[in-house]
Amino acid sequence: QQQVKQSPQSLIVQKGGISIINCAYENTAFDYFPWYQQFPGKGPALLIAIRPDVSEKKEGRFTISFNKSAKQFSLHIMDSQPGDSATYFCAAKEYSGAGSYQLTFGKGTKLSVIP
Amino acid sequence: SQTIHQWPATLVQPVGSPLSLECTVEGTSNPNLYWYRQAAGRGLQLLFYSVGIGQISSEVPQNLSASRPQDRQFILSSKKLLLSDSGFYLCAWGLAGFYTDTQYFGPGTRLTVL
Repeated sequence: QQQVKQSPQSLIVQKGGISIINCAYENTAFDYFPWYQQFPGKGPALLIAIRPDVSEKKEGRFTISFNKSAKQFSLHIMDSQPGDSATYFCAAKEYSGAGSYQLTFGKGTKLSVIP
Repeated sequence: SQTIHQWPATLVQPVGSPLSLECTVEGTSNPNLYWYRQAAGRGLQLLFYSVGIGQISSEVPQNLSASRPQDRQFILSSKKLLLSDSGFYLCAWGLAGFYTDTQYFGPGTRLTVL
């Protein structure tokens, strides 16, 4: 059962355009929603994250929009650059007890920004 | 600052051979530690996590095992590799506790089983 659904699977955007990646979830116990950026052959790196009591968070060109009632959140990359070309994963955190928590990941979106 | 190391970076092993991947974390104490596997073109699958020395929780039944012999060391092992064990193995760490959130990933180990 896929608990976090991510779309699209791949995305091609022209330089300077806006890249939008969407995620949806069902589990209301999730309480933290990070986005990771992964370049080929590298480990994922935390990009930006949001808690469900906030509807939007912006860091530079990256913005998360969060809709708690719809159980959806999205990543917007403004003024997309070729260096943004990577795979992006959304995730959702659930406390699993005994001082630990687990992240459930979407399947990833491969973004290609063309000049 | 905290740093996470994984080795080896790449590994090619024959079917039926043993496996040992190592992960170490520097700059923090008593972290939660995680092993993930990433198959080509797919998301991250949580394999094991640990909240302390000797404490291992398994998420997916398989021929892999994990151990945590020291506070900041996490080892992924197998006695006999299968073809299906090929993939990109990622170790991650996070702070323990209810109000902590983020996991930080290592550089990964690319395993090819032939």
